[in-house]
Amino acid sequence: EVQLVGSGGGLVEPGGSLRLSCAASGFTFSTHAMTWVRQAPGRGLEWVSAIVGTGTNTYYADSVKGRFTISRDNSKNTLYLHMSSLRAEDTAVYYCAKASPPEGYSTYYYYYYMDVWGKGTTVTVSS
Amino acid sequence: QSALTQPASVSGSPGQSITISCTGTSSDVGRYNFVSWYQQPPGKAPKLLIYDVSHRPSGVSNRFSGSKSGNTASLTVSGLQPEDEADYYCSSYTSSITLVFGGGTKLTVL
Repeated sequence: EVQLVGSGGGLVEPGGSLRLSCAASGFTFSTHAMTWVRQAPGRGLEWVSAIVGTGTNTYYADSVKGRFTISRDNSKNTLYLHMSSLRAEDTAVYYCAKASPPEGYSTYYYYYYMDVWGKGTTVTVSS
Repeated sequence: QSALTQPASVSGSPGQSITISCTGTSSDVGRYNFVSWYQQPPGKAPKLLIYDVSHRPSGVSNRFSGSKSGNTASLTVSGLQPEDEADYYCSSYTSSITLVFGGGTKLTVL
């Protein structure tokens, strides 16, 4: 069974840092792009970041560019999101998701769809 | 990148059909056929319903269908069932090499 388990969330003060982890199992992790999506309390989904299977290419939403860093350790089947300079508006449930490509495209590089989602880990930015 | 525009809510009775619209721009929905739809029941993680505008992943009911015309994509749910009550989100790839979601639509089955 494909499974994603997120961890690392918690309460952090504005300006602080936090690293989220997402442990993957049930599929060949290194051959799939991965994404992070967040959802602020009572709000909609917001795409945050994506990383290709090899880890060589990363992509970010404008709202987090320069503050968040996505990375992966394929030897540990783990995805990370390092968040710094945190703001109150970063408060949200953060979901890691296995990316799925368009028909006929490589699973390594294309992150356009999310076909398996973790349960989410909560980040609260508050003093 | 502004969020795609969806109606805040739609409703229908069991057995009826409803359609949710998702309006973007010529830089996202209008430019690419990389549109997807997600279903999120209350308190749960989202689930992929539709990808590539109109394709269903294995295991998704054929009561869900997608289409696109110009800058607007649509999700139709036919034969409404009580378990369809959830929030629905569209998403599109953009010319900025990012993804953008719609604001979400709450579907109520009366």
